[in-house]
Order: sequence, then C-alpha cells, then structure tokens
Amino acid sequence: GDSVTQMEGPVTLSEEAFLTINCTYTATGYPSLFWYVQYPGEGLQLLLKATKADDKGSNKGFEATYRKETTSFHLEKGSVQVSDSAVYFCALSPNSGGYQKVTFGIGTKLQVIP
Amino acid sequence: DTGVSQDPRHKITKRGQNVTFRCDPISEHNRLYWYRQTLGQGPEFLTYFQNEAQLEKSRLLSDRFSAERPKGSFSTLEIQRTEQGDSAMYLCASSSGHPNEKLFFGSGTQLSVL
Repeated sequence: GDSVTQMEGPVTLSEEAFLTINCTYTATGYPSLFWYVQYPGEGLQLLLKATKADDKGSNKGFEATYRKETTSFHLEKGSVQVSDSAVYFCALSPNSGGYQKVTFGIGTKLQVIP
Repeated sequence: DTGVSQDPRHKITKRGQNVTFRCDPISEHNRLYWYRQTLGQGPEFLTYFQNEAQLEKSRLLSDRFSAERPKGSFSTLEIQRTEQGDSAMYLCASSSGHPNEKLFFGSGTQLSVL
C-alpha cells in the first residue's frame, strides 16, 4: 500500500538557518504530494502541494519539488524563523478514487531557537 | 468561514464506557473524513463520507467504532466499550471535493481511556 517515510525529529535549528526535511514515498501510479503543518495547539493545515512530477510547491518561504525519479518531496526553507516551530507532515493522495484518502508520514518536529 | 469544529476538545473516560464525538465541517463541504493520531505518529485514515454516504472504512475501524453523517452535515464518531488502546487524538477534516483540494482539519478531540 501507499506509504510515506520522513526523517524523525526533533530538528533544532538557530534562527536564519537553512532547513531541509526529507520525505520519500511509495505509491502506485502518480500521487499528489503535500506538506501539512501543525502549529502548537492548532489543527493541521496545508502548507504546500504538488500534483505531478517536477512540480514545485511553495508557500511562506517553504519549497518542495516532486521528484518522481527518486520518489521524494523534500521540504526546504532558506532562513527559518522562530514562528516556524511546528510539526511538519509529508503526505500523499492517490490521483484516483475520486476523493482524498491522504496517507501521512509520522511528522517531524522543528524547533527554531533565537 | 468558521472552519471545522470538533467537540469536545478533551474526553477522559473509563475503560468499557461509550464515547461520542461530534464534527461540524465547513458548511459547503460535501466530503468529511475521520482520522486518528497517536503520539509520535501521523494521522491514520479511519473513514470517509460524501454527503451522508459512508463510502470507505479503514480496517482500523473495528466493529466497536461507528460513524454517521445524517443529512450530510455534521458527523458523529462513537466508540463503544472503550479500551486503553483507543486513547488518541481523533481528527475530523472536510473538503469541497475538487480534485486535489486540500483538507481542512479541526483541532481534534483528545481521548484518554483510563
């Protein structure tokens, strides 16, 4: 079945450091890929998405590129801020079946210190 | 847009008791999902509704679990004869049904079974 593997945290960075959170996936066909973020005390919210190979999703300075050849969707940000501290979930959804049965990774906790 | 709301936010119960959670999706969304999240894990799909029809149930959803969505609006998730292993965050999400549309999550109901 479909699965998502992402690096375990926690990841602790200083403010303005470069961030990479690795994510790889296993799926049949050509899924859509997502990064969701969960800030402390809040519900999950979509950060960015990519629906086909070589697409780049971006939002709030974060980027991720859909790499079919390596089945990866790594999340990057050039300069993190304290406000980016949260748990980040990589996820996929098959582009079939007519609805979004999303499979999530385990989440990576990011802590940014001033 | 009032977002997805879930009630209660926290529920503490004794093993063997029945519990019921409620989810109110975004009003114009016809798709509703239930997920379960345990500590250190990503959300796991439980079930999906399109309007009032329950179209898929995960094998994670034992016969002690039942979900309904009467009239295609709010949804309830009931757990009968709770077990300690049922302790988790129960998340509700909704979407409009457009292809690759993002899921809007509620803040969840945290269940603790003593």
